[in-house]
Amino acid sequence: DAGVIQSPRHEVTEMGQEVTLRCKPISGHDYLFWYRQTMMRGLELLIYFNNNVPIDDSGMPEDRFSAKMPNASFSTLKIQPSEPRDSAVYFCASSRTGAHHNEQFFGPGTRLTVL
Amino acid sequence: QKEVEQDPGPLSVPEGAIVSLNCTYSNSAFQYFMWYRQYSRKGPELLMYTYSSGNKEDGRFTAQVDKSSKYISLFIRDSQPSDSATYLCAMRSITGNQFYFGTGTSLTVIP
Repeated sequence: DAGVIQSPRHEVTEMGQEVTLRCKPISGHDYLFWYRQTMMRGLELLIYFNNNVPIDDSGMPEDRFSAKMPNASFSTLKIQPSEPRDSAVYFCASSRTGAHHNEQFFGPGTRLTVL
Repeated sequence: QKEVEQDPGPLSVPEGAIVSLNCTYSNSAFQYFMWYRQYSRKGPELLMYTYSSGNKEDGRFTAQVDKSSKYISLFIRDSQPSDSATYLCAMRSITGNQFYFGTGTSLTVIP
């Protein structure tokens, strides 16, 4: 398996623009997590899905952020409009139910810079 | 108060040293404790996890959990330059699916 795939790897955009981050989880994994990582705040959970259904989005900063998972192999995180304080590395991770749930497999991340 | 506290370091040690990395937490419901390693510009990867209290050893790595003190540790023996990375602790409750991460400790092993 290719692992968790994220695109784009780098994104530079201007304040006010819409940004869409994409994730393909590992086949067979039923949990998908979106995280944001900054030096100041570390790794923060934004939202997670189970079987394509959003379970907890309490970490989403505000209404500018939205996430979808239309099927088991694809998820998006959208920021509209983007702001400079959204600059961070965004990770997608997936895991399986059961004993293996403690191992989250992370993608390579999307490094977002909002000017 | 954050759920999980971790000293960010940075920590710099000579090759061959024993390294001790630590986290404290506040939620007594946490039962699964994990250590992730993150190389620069990469995603975190799981090193090992333990359930409840006790020790677990995997090669040069030992994870230790003291639930009475709400304190977990990762020991690295005979540290190598390839161990240079950021180490993040993470934990969750038995029924919870949300993982709570520490901010990570940056480690450099000097040849």
